[in-house]
Amino acid sequence: DAGITQSPRHKVTETGTPVTLRCHQTENHRYMYWYRQDPGHGLRLIHYSYGVKDTDKGEVSDGYSVSRSKTEDFLLTLESATSSQTSVYFCAISESNGAYGYTFGSGTRLTVV
Amino acid sequence: AQSVTQLDSHVSVSEGTPVLLRCNYSSSYSPSLFWYVQHPNKGLQLLLKYTSAATLVKGINGFEAEFKKSETSFHLTKPSAHMSDAAEYFCVAGGTSYGKLTFGQGTILTVHP
Repeated sequence: DAGITQSPRHKVTETGTPVTLRCHQTENHRYMYWYRQDPGHGLRLIHYSYGVKDTDKGEVSDGYSVSRSKTEDFLLTLESATSSQTSVYFCAISESNGAYGYTFGSGTRLTVV
Repeated sequence: AQSVTQLDSHVSVSEGTPVLLRCNYSSSYSPSLFWYVQHPNKGLQLLLKYTSAATLVKGINGFEAEFKKSETSFHLTKPSAHMSDAAEYFCVAGGTSYGKLTFGQGTILTVHP
C-alpha cells in the first residue's frame, strides 16, 4: 500500500541466526504494529508502537524485539530465529488509535530452516 | 479483552449465488469492527468498517455487513458472488487502547463456476 513499505519481501534464514525486518512509512502516523500471519490463526499482534521509543508487547511477543528510533521506521528483530517463527509478517500503521483505519504493508515472508 | 470468532473456516458458493460469512465478537465495550480481504499471496484490503455511525455498513465490491449488538455479530454478505471474490476474509475488532486489532481466524471463500 502507498505510504508503507516492508523489507525484505522474502527471506530464508537458518535457525539460530538474528533477523531484522523493517517497516518504513511516509505517512507520519503515530501508531505502528507488527503482526504475524499463520494458517488458522489469522493475524496476531507481536509488538506495537505508539510513538518514537514507545513500544509494548502484543500477544505473541516471545522471541521478538522491536525498536522505533524515528517516526518512520519500526524494526522487528528475531534475536535467534527458530522454525516456529516461519511466518508471514505484516506491518500496519494508524494515524489516530485506529479511528481512521489502518494501512497494511505487503508483508514479509520469512522461512527459518 | 476482546475476541473474534469466524464461524466457518471454509465457505463454498456458486457464482451468482449469495455469500454469507459469519463473525461473532466478544468485547467489554463497543468495538470498531472491520472486514478485510486477502487474495492469494497478496496483502490485506479493507472491505468495510463499522464505527457506530450506522449498523448496516456498505463496503466495496458489493459487500455489506450488519452490526447486531444483541447477537454480538457482524456477518458479511454479498447478494451475488463473483469468481473474483475467491479469497480469504478476516473479521477484525478494534477500538482498544493504542488501536490494537484482534483478528478472527479467517474464512476461505471458494467460488465455483
